[in-house]
Amino acid sequence: EDKVVQSPLSLVVHEGDTVTLNCSYEVTNFRSLLWYKQEKKAPTFLFMLTSSGIEKKSGRLSSILDKKELFSILNITATQTGDSAIYLCAVPEGSGNTGKLIFGQGTTLQVKP
Amino acid sequence: GAVVSQHPSWVICKSGTSVKIECRSLDFQATTMFWYRQFPKQSLMLMATSNEGSKATYEQGVEKDKFLINHASLTLSTLTVTSAHPEDSSFYICSARRLQETQYFGPGTRLLVL
Repeated sequence: EDKVVQSPLSLVVHEGDTVTLNCSYEVTNFRSLLWYKQEKKAPTFLFMLTSSGIEKKSGRLSSILDKKELFSILNITATQTGDSAIYLCAVPEGSGNTGKLIFGQGTTLQVKP
Repeated sequence: GAVVSQHPSWVICKSGTSVKIECRSLDFQATTMFWYRQFPKQSLMLMATSNEGSKATYEQGVEKDKFLINHASLTLSTLTVTSAHPEDSSFYICSARRLQETQYFGPGTRLLVL
């Protein structure tokens, strides 16, 4: 059964800290891994990763994939209170081409001033 | 690009009425759209997969006669909650699939059934 596990489930840091969020996965036919940020509304897309070892970067956020060890990390440097959110990791369902995403439980990040 | 809109963003209705939620992909064509429901402090729960021009595929436990989905064009899918009851109150989110596996989410619709 396809599975995505995120850790930690929650995290509290202070502004300026660097955080690393983890996502491990098991999927029968891996194609990609996606990261989303969810604040009070619906999730917003951050990154899609398909290849090992190639870092994707957007401002203070970066992410990398390790297909051998079946995990990805999302790094946020110099955190700000606006980074407080739930970060979701997801992989497309392995079987068929349904497009369905298997989500992890999410990591709730709280950044204190 | 890759903007998905939902309308309305908020709806309050009386028990027994039906509510229609629209999901539009504004700048791309989406052959597949997804409908999710999210209760407070819980993760997204996939309700159904909507494919343009064909019947929706519902997840186990989701009543297809209760949650009617129509995907009439490549940019529009609608979810109708029929005979809504207070337990249907939730945050309904759609997403549209574009380019391989990337799904882009709409802003969500908060439904409150009195």
